[in-house]
Amino acid sequence: GAVVSQHPSRVICKSGTSVKIECRSLDFQATTMFWYRQFPKQSLMLMATSNEGSKATYEQGVEKDKFLINHASLTLSTLTVTSAHPEDSSFYICSASPGTGLNTEAFFGQGTRLTVV
Amino acid sequence: GQQVMQIPQYQHVQEGEDFTTYCNSSTTLSNIQWYKQRPGGHPVFLIQLVKSGEVKKQKRLTFQFGEAKKNSSLHITATQTTDVGTYFCAVHTGKLIFGQGTTLQVKP
Repeated sequence: GAVVSQHPSRVICKSGTSVKIECRSLDFQATTMFWYRQFPKQSLMLMATSNEGSKATYEQGVEKDKFLINHASLTLSTLTVTSAHPEDSSFYICSASPGTGLNTEAFFGQGTRLTVV
Repeated sequence: GQQVMQIPQYQHVQEGEDFTTYCNSSTTLSNIQWYKQRPGGHPVFLIQLVKSGEVKKQKRLTFQFGEAKKNSSLHITATQTTDVGTYFCAVHTGKLIFGQGTTLQVKP
């Protein structure tokens, strides 16, 4: 199947600093990528849809100025958590699909476990 | 937006017992996908159902889509310890929305 690579897998940062997470589609182009956040023992909550060459679409309740998304190429989307606080500690996962349309399976990155101290 | 409710939240079974997780929606679904997430891992696609009444099998796993396309189920026959993980249903509406997930524990 298709491969989505996410980096870093783990990061610990100090409160108030910013952290950038990268999501790459290695063997296909993705005009759209998705960013999720998952708290322990909970489901994946969609944060935003990353669109290549245009602004990201954020879900209700997600602060766009805090979670900056850049999708500068067809194989790379980045999520920057700005001015991180301990409550931002979570598991962040990206996904992408080789095709378009509703009947397309999603491939997920390995996830990034962010700890803000 | 479209939501799916998934039950149960947790299920503990003895190895060899069967397991079923259910996904329900108040509205008609165009499709439903199932994913498995192992502890500490990321979701992995299992299958997609699109037709009313559709039934698909993958070895010990049986997936069903209801006639009204408002519910779906995943049934595992004779569970093994390798089946441990969280099973999610998800609906693709241009973006993928996940159910709450069912975490399966299997006692050897």
